[in-house]
Amino acid sequence: GENVEQHPSTLSVQEGDSAVIKCTYSDSASNYFPWYKQELGKGPQLIIDIRSNVGEKKDQRIAVTLNKTAKHFSLHITETQPEDSAVYFCAAGSNFGNEKLTFGTGTRLTIIP
Amino acid sequence: GAVVSQHPSRVICKSGTSVKIECRSLDFQATTMFWYRQFPKQSLMLMATSNEGSKATYEQGVEKDKFLINHASLTLSTLTVTSAHPEDSSFYICSARDPGQGLGYTFGSGTRLTVV
Repeated sequence: GENVEQHPSTLSVQEGDSAVIKCTYSDSASNYFPWYKQELGKGPQLIIDIRSNVGEKKDQRIAVTLNKTAKHFSLHITETQPEDSAVYFCAAGSNFGNEKLTFGTGTRLTIIP
Repeated sequence: GAVVSQHPSRVICKSGTSVKIECRSLDFQATTMFWYRQFPKQSLMLMATSNEGSKATYEQGVEKDKFLINHASLTLSTLTVTSAHPEDSSFYICSARDPGQGLGYTFGSGTRLTVV
């Protein structure tokens, strides 16, 4: 089955600086890579996703890059703000078969004012 | 966008009793829903895939007789934790995908279960 590794587990960044979180996956059949933000006591919220036929996607301050060959994908948050503080999870899945997602272990991001 | 409603948000029950958690897709039909469990400061672990009109598919190590899943309609899946024990205390989250919105999965707000 799929195995997703995520680093770092914790990340502290000065407000206004950039944050980068990296994930690797093992199953070459995975073709969908979402990123979720989870605040305390709440369900995960999709912030950006990318499909395997695209190398990069950007939405305002958030971007995701994908290297299919290396099986790496990364989340980039620029101009960080205090409200970006949360736990971020990457995931990998496929739109074939049972479509289930496998999650990374999470990164606790703290933005220092 | 797609909305998944989950109830209750919090529940406390006594050991040995059963608890039912509901997951509804509010503005779309979901033939498949997913149930996750999340322990404090840990990732989401898939427990089972709920299939409308058929039996759920459980992940390895998840007791199907303890975690009963029913997906009787295209908008509702329920998870019943039977004979709950303190070690079942966790955050349970459901998710579903709106086929009309590509591959994105929407999560419910989660249910904090505490067994005393």
